[in-house]
Amino acid sequence: DTEVTQTPKHLVMGMTNKKSLKCEQHMGHRAMYWYKQKAKKPPELMFVYSYEKLSINESVPSRFSPECPNSSLLNLHLHALQPEDSALYLCASSQIGGFGYTFGSGTRLTVV
Amino acid sequence: AQSVTQPDIHITVSEGASLELRCNYSYGATPYLFWYVQSPGQGLQLLLKYFSGDTLVQGIKGFEAEFKRSQSSFNLRKPSVHWSDAAEYFCAVGTNRDDKIIFGKGTRLHILP
Repeated sequence: DTEVTQTPKHLVMGMTNKKSLKCEQHMGHRAMYWYKQKAKKPPELMFVYSYEKLSINESVPSRFSPECPNSSLLNLHLHALQPEDSALYLCASSQIGGFGYTFGSGTRLTVV
Repeated sequence: AQSVTQPDIHITVSEGASLELRCNYSYGATPYLFWYVQSPGQGLQLLLKYFSGDTLVQGIKGFEAEFKRSQSSFNLRKPSVHWSDAAEYFCAVGTNRDDKIIFGKGTRLHILP
């Protein structure tokens, strides 16, 4: 299995909702990442998990809460988001050392 | 900290013509360099990567890139483009100090029939 699977593919949520994005990989990668990508912009790093521990948080607002329950799963919990948080959320994984990520196809999030 | 610049926002080439997309990086030591492609609404696909060794790197879909330390460049090339190559191309740089890679702003490739 050489894929990173993200669910759901599309999500529409209100500003008072709580939702979660899910990411799964079975390549034995021990580093996992969340990126946010706005339209016509490059991906921006949000979080890095190494060996299931949060190693990098790029000053992301607390309304985004990551979780890595095991080496294959990465979640992003969303609460009280703003319309400007609407974007494509990309998950990626890699071997430790960042030797080229494998990206999922993303979750298209719309906050209304 | 590392950084990467893609000078061209848009590039238009005719189908069958050759292609070169430019990428310049900034980092004090030898960087890890990557090229990714993204079709509309999709995730990113790794085309090729450079860590060390041979400075000419072959990738998927007929792409290659050359690492030139003296010019701090990692330009992507393809001898003959196909209409299916139309997409956004991102150059990215990483280091051996952490697991973070930074993306350039991207180059949108348009193909003329």
